[in-house]
Amino acid sequence: DQQVKQNSPSLSVQEGRISILNCDYTNSMFDYFLWYKKYPAEGPTFLISISSIKDKNEDGRFTVFLNKSAKHLSLHIVPSQPGDSAVYFCAASSSWGKFQFGAGTQVVVTP
Amino acid sequence: GAGVSQSPSNKVTEKGKDVELRCDPISGHTALYWYRQRLGQGLEFLIYFQGNSAPDKSGLPSDRFSAERTGESVSTLTIQRTQQEDSAVYLCASSLAGDQPQHFGDGTRLSIL
Repeated sequence: DQQVKQNSPSLSVQEGRISILNCDYTNSMFDYFLWYKKYPAEGPTFLISISSIKDKNEDGRFTVFLNKSAKHLSLHIVPSQPGDSAVYFCAASSSWGKFQFGAGTQVVVTP
Repeated sequence: GAGVSQSPSNKVTEKGKDVELRCDPISGHTALYWYRQRLGQGLEFLIYFQGNSAPDKSGLPSDRFSAERTGESVSTLTIQRTQQEDSAVYLCASSLAGDQPQHFGDGTRLSIL
């Protein structure tokens, strides 16, 4: 039962442009959401999070938007840089220590 | 070291053998997690330890899988009588508490022949 879905397995974006990654979830009890970035042969690294009491959180070039009514969150990266090429996972939690991860979106930033 | 350390980084073994994977969490992190990532798929939750509480084992796929953690230190994930479908990258993560972002190790790539 996949409760967190990233329907785009890959995304190609030009350097300097905006990358928009999407994530949908089905469990209305989820109240904490995170994005992770993963390079090959490395573990995921935490990027940014948002709790359900907010609809937006910014950290530098990264902004996460949460639409609770649509059960949808997105990650915006502006401007995209070559070092942003990686797999991005969204994750959601409704209880202490229990996180569900999406299948990931491979981002490729082209010159 | 400063990060989560996992060993071995790669493990190749024959079907039917037992394997033990090790995770050294970040010092002071009370929460520790094990995940599995099969090729082309997302992270699959296996087990969660929080301090001295009973672990949440709800993600373990079968009774061939078990994990232990002593206090807030090292954890080992054991897979008995390995099967080919156990081939995956096994990731360990730790966090200050169960509601905090997790810090991941680089994983153990397990290949069952």
